[in-house]
Amino acid sequence: ETGVTQSPTHLIKTRGQQVTLRCSSQSGHNTVSWYQQALGQGPQFIFQYYREEENGRGNFPPRFSGLQFPNYSSELNVNALELDDSALYLCASSLAAGRNYGYTFGSGTRLTVV
Amino acid sequence: AQTVTQSQPEMSVQEAETVTLSCTYDTSESDYYLFWYKQPPSRQMILVIRQEAYKQQNATENRFSVNFQKAAKSFSLKISDSQLGDAAMYFCAYRSPTSGGSNYKLTFGKGTLLTVNP
Repeated sequence: ETGVTQSPTHLIKTRGQQVTLRCSSQSGHNTVSWYQQALGQGPQFIFQYYREEENGRGNFPPRFSGLQFPNYSSELNVNALELDDSALYLCASSLAAGRNYGYTFGSGTRLTVV
Repeated sequence: AQTVTQSQPEMSVQEAETVTLSCTYDTSESDYYLFWYKQPPSRQMILVIRQEAYKQQNATENRFSVNFQKAAKSFSLKISDSQLGDAAMYFCAYRSPTSGGSNYKLTFGKGTLLTVNP
């Protein structure tokens, strides 16, 4: 059973650029959530994808967008990067099956915006 | 909206001793899930223990146990026989049980950095 894989592990971008982060979900999981973890903070929910559609979103602007593919892998896209977007971006996969399901997290992508 | 508060930014414990990490939360829901996650330097969030609010019995997982006080909205984590490998950032998290959209999201506290001294 493979876990959640995120790529790249580290990334440096310039303010105003666009970035794409990738996540391969755990085998058997059909739901992917993305979180932003600023330095010294807890993760903040960005959005969740289920069956290739966004089905939940946190308090993030539209320049944060995503995709989920038929194999349940996912991408997080951020346009017009700002310095405050510098953070660890975590992906979590799960099997949406009623009340009782758990999350498996990846090791994250560390994004630095300069 | 639900909030999660961890009032201890840092804690330290001697190896083999016991330590308790605190967490309080605010919610108007009567049914929900609570979690403790561990984040070592590898950055991956690892589930330590989970508690369902409708269960009165406190959850335990080997050396890890919780003290769940629903009326007080308190959810503390006790680590017994602390080991060097327990050193990490610990996050308390809340999740609604209801289906649909962002109700599936985890709401995290700011974390407690645990140091284990040999």
